[in-house]
Amino acid sequence: DAKTTQPTSMDCAEGRAANLPCNHSTISGNEYVYWYRQIHSQGPQYIIHGLKNNETNEMASLIITEDRKSSTLILPHATLRDTAVYYCIVLSNDYKLSFGAGTTVTVRA
Amino acid sequence: GAVVSQHPSRVICKSGTSVKIECRSLDFQATTMFWYRQFPKQSLMLMATSNEGSKATYEQGVEKDKFLINHASLTLSTLTVTSAHPEDSSFYICSARRTGNYGYTFGSGTRLTVV
Repeated sequence: DAKTTQPTSMDCAEGRAANLPCNHSTISGNEYVYWYRQIHSQGPQYIIHGLKNNETNEMASLIITEDRKSSTLILPHATLRDTAVYYCIVLSNDYKLSFGAGTTVTVRA
Repeated sequence: GAVVSQHPSRVICKSGTSVKIECRSLDFQATTMFWYRQFPKQSLMLMATSNEGSKATYEQGVEKDKFLINHASLTLSTLTVTSAHPEDSSFYICSARRTGNYGYTFGSGTRLTVV
């Protein structure tokens, strides 16, 4: 299974864009990159996923490098409610989502 | 769309008793559901994968006789923690995979406290 590496934590200012990096250098050609977040004591919330192309939805944008070895999740205008642990996950070929430690994002007013 | 309901949200039980946790996909059919456990300040750990109509597959180190999983329909999977002990106290979370695409929706979790 492809492993991911994320920063342990990061702070960002309310109203500014938050850029969350993720390395997945061992990703295979047909493996998707998923992003979830978990607000304290809740179940993970889906954010976005992608394979090769950049993706955008109402929550965020996902930028995947051409070699697919890394990606960046962009929260365009962070709010205090975006404070959470963000998980970057490479979906394995057996369709299991395995969570790493994630990045603890704290949005400050 | 894509809502997963997990019940109960909190449960306290005595040592030695069993607890059942339900996970329902409300507006879609889920051929596969997943059960996770999360200890305080740790990440989610996958316990098992349940497929409708077949036996669950457990991750290494997870006791299948202690954590009984049943996936009797395309919308319901249950996890029963048998003979619970205080060390089983944890946050249990289910996830359902939508048929035909790669969407995974998570339940809101169950906080189990064994006293």
